[in-house]
Amino acid sequence: DVKVTQSSRYLVKRTGEKVFLECVQDMDHENMFWYRQDPGLGLRLIYFSYDVKMKEKGDIPEGYSVSREKKERFSLILESASTNQTSMYLCASRGAGTFGGYTFGSGTRLTVV
Amino acid sequence: TQLLEQSPQFLSIQEGENLTVYCNSSSVFSSLQWYRQEPGEGPVLLVTVVTGGEVKKLKRLTFQFGDARKDSSLHITAAQPGDTGLYLCAGVETSGSRLTFGEGTQLTVNP
Repeated sequence: DVKVTQSSRYLVKRTGEKVFLECVQDMDHENMFWYRQDPGLGLRLIYFSYDVKMKEKGDIPEGYSVSREKKERFSLILESASTNQTSMYLCASRGAGTFGGYTFGSGTRLTVV
Repeated sequence: TQLLEQSPQFLSIQEGENLTVYCNSSSVFSSLQWYRQEPGEGPVLLVTVVTGGEVKKLKRLTFQFGDARKDSSLHITAAQPGDTGLYLCAGVETSGSRLTFGEGTQLTVNP
């Protein structure tokens, strides 16, 4: 089975801290994605990557950056965490081709205090 | 970004009842996917529908893609408590491979 592993299930950080969320997939997928999920707002795309060192802004990139130095790893960086970034963060990967489904990690519940 | 509207947002029913969840858009999608998410976990893919008018069945779940590829429905027959979860529809945009998600339907099936 394809596995997408997110490094932390729960994180608590202070306002202003730089936060790193790590995601690793083991199926050699080209495409990787970071979403945040909030009640009433659904899943919103933050950033995605089609290949190593490639990145594209999603719908809500402000306050975030990403890094993809290796194909299997896609990191989400909160440059200076704020309380409105408290959320569930979900990483996903997908192989090439139009109809493949996403494989999601279990999520990281981030609380910024 | 293409938008997907999902309804109802919440659904609470008794075991054995049937239900339908709807996913609508004014945009055409190249394909549409349905996911189920349990608390504390990421969404898990249930099905992908590709062709307009396509119907797929997964045990008691029936998925349909509209003829114009703008809408989809999920019908569950004789719901069971194990069907409880958040059901998400997601459209693959015609311009690329990114997904647009609906807001989800929180289904609770009471024993």
